[in-house]
Amino acid sequence: EAGVTQSPTHLIKTRGQQATLRCSPISGHTSVYWYQQALGLGLQFLLWYDEGEERNRGNFPPRFSGRQFPNYSSELNVNALELEDSALYLCASSLRPGFFYGYTFGSGTRLTVV
Amino acid sequence: AQTVTQSQPEMSVQEAETVTLSCTYDTSENNYYLFWYKQPPSRQMILVIRQEAYKQQNATENRFSVNFQKAAKSFSLKISDSQLGDTAMYFCALNNNDMRFGAGTRLTVKP
Repeated sequence: EAGVTQSPTHLIKTRGQQATLRCSPISGHTSVYWYQQALGLGLQFLLWYDEGEERNRGNFPPRFSGRQFPNYSSELNVNALELEDSALYLCASSLRPGFFYGYTFGSGTRLTVV
Repeated sequence: AQTVTQSQPEMSVQEAETVTLSCTYDTSENNYYLFWYKQPPSRQMILVIRQEAYKQQNATENRFSVNFQKAAKSFSLKISDSQLGDTAMYFCALNNNDMRFGAGTRLTVKP
């Protein structure tokens, strides 16, 4: 069974540009979560999608947005990139919203804004 | 609001010894789940152990065990017989609907 896959692995963008990050969950998982992990820091909750709907978002500005497609894959868009957006972006999926089984994580996309 | 606090940014332990990582949390919910995740240098988040809040018995997975004190909102991780491969960042997490993580503890196992 394939795990959670994220693409691209690395992404370099210029300040002010837009970045699009993609995530494919484990087959059968309907919930997808996005986290930002700045260098040396913990995971900050960004967005949660389930069954195509945004269920919750963390304390991030509106230029962080995303969507979930009918096949449950998801993309995260970051507009008007700022230097401090440089971070590892992790995607996770779960069989159903959270709870006992926890999340399965992808290996992340390293976004560098120059 | 859900918050998770890990007060030990870094810890080290000698190989084969035991180490305990601390975690406290805050939530107004009565039904939730707690997790410890490990993140080695490869960046992959790996589930170490999980605990259901309504179960009083502490979870155990091989060399990993937890001390869950619900009233104190404390959830510490004990690693016995530490191995070099245990070197990683360890994150405590609280899950009600979406999972919130602590800032992490960097554990180094020394030979």
